[in-house]
Amino acid sequence: EAGVAQSPRYKIIEKRQSVAFWCNPISGHATLYWYQQILGQGPKLLIQFQNNGVVDDSQLPKDRFSAERLKGVDSTLKIQPAKLEDSAVYLCASSSHSQGTGNTEAFFGQGTRLTVV
Amino acid sequence: AQSVTQLGSHVSVSEGALVLLRCNYSSSVPPYLFWYVQYPNQGLQLLLKYTTGATLVKGINGFEAEFKKSETSFHLTKPSAHMSDAAEYFCAVSVQEYGNKLVFGAGTILRVKS
Repeated sequence: EAGVAQSPRYKIIEKRQSVAFWCNPISGHATLYWYQQILGQGPKLLIQFQNNGVVDDSQLPKDRFSAERLKGVDSTLKIQPAKLEDSAVYLCASSSHSQGTGNTEAFFGQGTRLTVV
Repeated sequence: AQSVTQLGSHVSVSEGALVLLRCNYSSSVPPYLFWYVQYPNQGLQLLLKYTTGATLVKGINGFEAEFKKSETSFHLTKPSAHMSDAAEYFCAVSVQEYGNKLVFGAGTILRVKS
């Protein structure tokens, strides 16, 4: 089966510009995650969707970050305006569990590496 | 809320030597525990997971981990390191009580010397 697809792979923008990332999860997976991975750190959960509803967005900087999951399938993550500290790899993952990961595996995309200059 | 601590941000072993990567978790209820591996410029790949049952879990590429509730640990081991094992390893925890949110540790970079 096809894996989690993300685009673009790399993006360089200037601070205060906006940027959007796209994720297509594995077909049929109810749960979708966006993680931020800063160099030298573990992935930090930004937002968790179950189908098209938000389960957890407690660590999403809502003044500049937004995310949506249309029709419970594809998802986009947007940053507007970007700051230097947003430079990171943004990982999308999906899980077949009906609620979060549970005892199932989360499958990850290759990520989008964002550099803000 | 659950959390994960990985002891040692960098571990270096010789080829053929034992690999031991440490992970301790914090959770007030029984957790699900995972080890993921990340190669450069790649996403994360599952190595193994503990859900219920047998506390010694075997994964891919010869890795295994043992869940020790009394020590709140889930250390990853491999008897003999191979050059291809060089990567970054992440321990993660998921707790049903908290919506099965998957929370990661800071990671351990494994270096294998020839």
